[in-house]
Amino acid sequence: KQEVTQIPAALSVPEGENLVLNCSFTDSAIYNLQWFRQDPGKGLTSLLLIQSSQREQTSGRLNASLDKSSGRSTLYIAASQPGDSATYLCAPRTGAGKSTFGDGTTLTVKP
Amino acid sequence: NAGVMQNPRHLVRRRGQEARLRCSPMKGHSHVYWYRQLPEEGLKFMVYLQKENIIDESGMPKERFSAEFPKEGPSILRIQQVVRGDSAAYFCASSPQAGLAGETDTQYFGPGTRLTVL
Repeated sequence: KQEVTQIPAALSVPEGENLVLNCSFTDSAIYNLQWFRQDPGKGLTSLLLIQSSQREQTSGRLNASLDKSSGRSTLYIAASQPGDSATYLCAPRTGAGKSTFGDGTTLTVKP
Repeated sequence: NAGVMQNPRHLVRRRGQEARLRCSPMKGHSHVYWYRQLPEEGLKFMVYLQKENIIDESGMPKERFSAEFPKEGPSILRIQQVVRGDSAAYFCASSPQAGLAGETDTQYFGPGTRLTVL
């Protein structure tokens, strides 16, 4: 059974800082891993998807890495902005199609 | 291309009533997933469906819950005889493929239906 842990659970930083969110998962037999953000009371917005054969993906100020063998992924956010404040969710996906979500990291970026 | 549509966005039911949640996947997507987010908890997988087939329902409670994705029309998550513990946000996601190796198959999520059971 896949278990996903995200560290830290909460993070508060001043605007402009670079930061790293961590995700670990117990079952390395995944097909891909997706990072999402969730704003309070809202749905999920897909940020990045990394296929199992890839090591990293970049989109704008976001960079996600994947070390499948060790069951780890990181999301790097450069030059953080107040608009980045949200909960970030990591979701590795198995061949059965379903994703397993971590409890998320709640990020607050202070102006 | 419209995103994943869910309705209603908010649903209030009294204990013992039935709740029907609808999900229209993105155009061209034939895979639908339902997740539940209980208050102050993470998202938990419930069921994965393709057109007219339930592929994986391992996360769905055995009683009172059912899901379908007919050949025509939206996917439906049905909760019979709702109880207060069913109060949660129910999210639907869709993808064009099922995560086969080498396929790019981002899951796109709908805005969710927030069910409140009085």
